[in-house]
Amino acid sequence: NAGVTQTPKFRILKIGQSMTLQCTQDMNHNYMYWYRQDPGMGLKLIYYSVGAGITDKGEVPNGYNVSRSTTEDFPLRLELAAPSQTSVYFCASSGQGEVSGYTFGSGTRLTVV
Amino acid sequence: AQRVTQPEKLLSVFKGAPVELKCNYSYSGSPELFWYVQYSRQRLQLLLRHISRESIKGFTADLNKGETSFHLKKPFAQEEDSAMYFCALTECGYNKLIFGAGTRLAVHP
Repeated sequence: NAGVTQTPKFRILKIGQSMTLQCTQDMNHNYMYWYRQDPGMGLKLIYYSVGAGITDKGEVPNGYNVSRSTTEDFPLRLELAAPSQTSVYFCASSGQGEVSGYTFGSGTRLTVV
Repeated sequence: AQRVTQPEKLLSVFKGAPVELKCNYSYSGSPELFWYVQYSRQRLQLLLRHISRESIKGFTADLNKGETSFHLKKPFAQEEDSAMYFCALTECGYNKLIFGAGTRLAVHP
């Protein structure tokens, strides 16, 4: 049982490049989330999804896009990378109506130069 | 607006000393409160939640609605407790978590 798997673990992008951060979970969780964690800061919600085909913006969605075609996968897309997007990105999932907490992925450290 | 405040960026104590990591929140409804921990080079993991009233690894946290606080406490800190601790809340019935900025706990021998 892998839980929440994120790839890649590290990536360096040049300004203006695009990439997709992958996230998959095998717990049949309906809810999935993308957060970014900047140094010395808490986690800020980028996008979330309450089920396949449904996504919604979080606190800091600008510069990102998501899709949720299956229950398992919730990729995060950066179209035109900017230095301000240098951060650690965490994907998480939780069960519907369940407040027992999130299961987090191990994170993706992204640097935009 | 919902907000979680952790006033201390760093808390440094010696092994065996008591620890209290502060968390205050602003929310008009009935929130669920959580503490998450992130050990060095590991993913965030749930430490405890207020509705379960449990003690995990010697840590406890009591929800004080009057003071809107959910401070994390441990009577005797251990070196392995050194980590980043995040307080978080969610509205009852919803799953979207709002995190505080985190407090780094450093326990020295």
